[in-house]
Amino acid sequence: DSQMTQSPSSLSASVGDRVTITCRASQDINKYVAWYQQKPGKVPKLLIYAASTLQSGVPSRFGGSRSGTEFTLTISSLQPEDVATYYCQKYNSSPYTFGQGTKLEIK
Amino acid sequence: EMSLVESGGGLVQPGGSLRLSCAASGFTFSDYWMHWVRQAPGKGLEWVSRVNDDGSSTTYADSVKGRFTISRDNGKNTVYLQMNSLRAEDTAVYYCARALSGFDWGQGTLVTVSS
Repeated sequence: DSQMTQSPSSLSASVGDRVTITCRASQDINKYVAWYQQKPGKVPKLLIYAASTLQSGVPSRFGGSRSGTEFTLTISSLQPEDVATYYCQKYNSSPYTFGQGTKLEIK
Repeated sequence: EMSLVESGGGLVQPGGSLRLSCAASGFTFSDYWMHWVRQAPGKGLEWVSRVNDDGSSTTYADSVKGRFTISRDNGKNTVYLQMNSLRAEDTAVYYCARALSGFDWGQGTLVTVSS
């Protein structure tokens, strides 16, 4: 089964910083990665699918990319409302594994 | 507008059973594969199970295989998760999710397994 190794597990950055979170798949999963944002006490929210396609309504400061089996979520200019835990997920086939999560805080 | 509403959670003793339901509305339910995902208190997301659009194919995480059963009723726009032989480590918020490109989520229902 393909694993999704997400890093870092936590991250502290300043407002306006560029933030990068990475997930590495243990085998080829093509472009079938989604990224979610989960704020405390809330339901996960889909940000990006197919590695780089922005979900409707998501701010353009969020972006995704793929290089082989490495997938990256980038926030180009961190805002206070971006404080959350972020998860990657593979959805090409079962099991639909999530990464371990990255807790993002404001410095 | 798409809506998924889970129900059936609660407190159950170890070894007990529970059946979760997820009522869908606002979209053509029979067009979509459906999933269950859980989140233990303070922990990350764990995919549990999925059922295809007509209910003929199901898959499970190793952690629940043989104990949980996913099913759906397209006439009632509802997906179910039958959970048997429950353990303390099954304690979590259980979310149902609609799958297309990524997941759209319900609000979740809390299952607590404790004596």
